Amino acid sequence: KAGVTQTPRYLIKTRGQQVTLSCSPISGHRSVSWYQQTPGQGLQFLFEYFSETQRNKGNFPGRFSGRQFSNSRSEMNVSTLELGDSALYLCASSASGRGLKTEAFFGQGTRLTVV
Amino acid sequence: AQKVTQAQTEISVVEKEDVTLDCVYETRDTTYYLFWYKQPPSGELVFLIRRNSFDEQNEISGRYSWNFQKSTSSFNFTITASQVVDSAVYFCALSEARNSNSGYALNFGKGTSLLVTP
Repeated sequence: KAGVTQTPRYLIKTRGQQVTLSCSPISGHRSVSWYQQTPGQGLQFLFEYFSETQRNKGNFPGRFSGRQFSNSRSEMNVSTLELGDSALYLCASSASGRGLKTEAFFGQGTRLTVV
Repeated sequence: AQKVTQAQTEISVVEKEDVTLDCVYETRDTTYYLFWYKQPPSGELVFLIRRNSFDEQNEISGRYSWNFQKSTSSFNFTITASQVVDSAVYFCALSEARNSNSGYALNFGKGTSLLVTP
């Protein structure tokens, strides 16, 4: 069974640009969540999607957005990039549904560098 | 509000030593989930264990064991006879259950960097 796949693995962008990251969850998993990891703030929850609906959202500005498609694949978008957005962005998928919270499996992440 | 504290920032041990990683959590919910993840240098978070708040039974998996104590709000992780391959950053995380339709969000501690030397 294939794991969580994130593309691209590495990305360099210029301040002010926008970026889209992609995540393909484990087959059969309908929950996809995104996390930002930085040396200063650690791992922080961005948002979670389930069946194409955003079910939960962390404390990030509106420049961070996401969506989920009918095949459960998810994308996150960051507009007007700032230097502080440089981070490892991790995607996780889980089989969690109504009343069920299973473990989340993570991808290898996308390393975003903003210059 | 929920919070996870991993007070140990870095731990260094010699191979074959036992090591315990501490995790203390705060939550107002009576139903919640606790997790441990391992992050090797490659960056991927590797799932180690999930524990429900209503299940205080300790667990052992090979050289790994976990001690969950609700009375002290702790969920500690012990590696027995550590090996060099255990070198990684280990994260403890908490997820509150709330209602059945609530989303899935992990609140992570800052992590403990474990270095095992030969």
